[in-house]
Amino acid sequence: NAGVMQNPRHLVRRRGQEARLRCSPMKGHSHVYWYRQLPEEGLKFMVYLQKENIIDESGMPKERFSAEFPKEGPSILRIQQVVRGDSAAYFCASRKEYTQYFGPGTRLTVL
Amino acid sequence: KNEVEQSPQNLTAQEGEFITINCSYSVGISALHWLQQHPGGGIVSLFMLSSGKKKHGRLIATINIQEKHSSLHITASHPRDSAVYICAVIAMYSGGGADGLTFGKGTHLIIQP
Repeated sequence: NAGVMQNPRHLVRRRGQEARLRCSPMKGHSHVYWYRQLPEEGLKFMVYLQKENIIDESGMPKERFSAEFPKEGPSILRIQQVVRGDSAAYFCASRKEYTQYFGPGTRLTVL
Repeated sequence: KNEVEQSPQNLTAQEGEFITINCSYSVGISALHWLQQHPGGGIVSLFMLSSGKKKHGRLIATINIQEKHSSLHITASHPRDSAVYICAVIAMYSGGGADGLTFGKGTHLIIQP
């Protein structure tokens, strides 16, 4: 049973471009969480999704950020018009019962 | 004040020493996680606790719900234990997201040979 997969592992974008981060949960997991780890800071919750539903997006910036978890395919975290402050590690985690399992993260660098 | 506080922030010890990392939280929780983040950045969930004590190999985690405190212990520490250890709680309100985690800032542990 493969773990949580994220791709790409590293992503470089120029200011103003779009970044798309993908997360494939563990098989059988229907709950996905996205977290962000800014340089020298702790992890922060962004959004919690179930298949085709956003359950809680209280940690998402109000503009430029969106997330989805379609019926088929991976969960996508989309950042439009990236700025340097978006440079961070983005982790997703999936859950079936109580424990969250983390992916390896995507390190986004905005030039 | 952060909702989840860890101590110490940094800890350097010699191989073989008994290690204790503490976590205090100020909100009602349904569960607490201990996570390990290696220098490469990957995060591994070590324990999830809602009461009592759990043991896995050389790692022991305890939680006291009344005192809102948890500890992570490492016995016979080894250089490969060097990592950042993060305490995270599932708060009973939705500020961290329904079952989303609220994290401490982590404890940077270095075990020297």
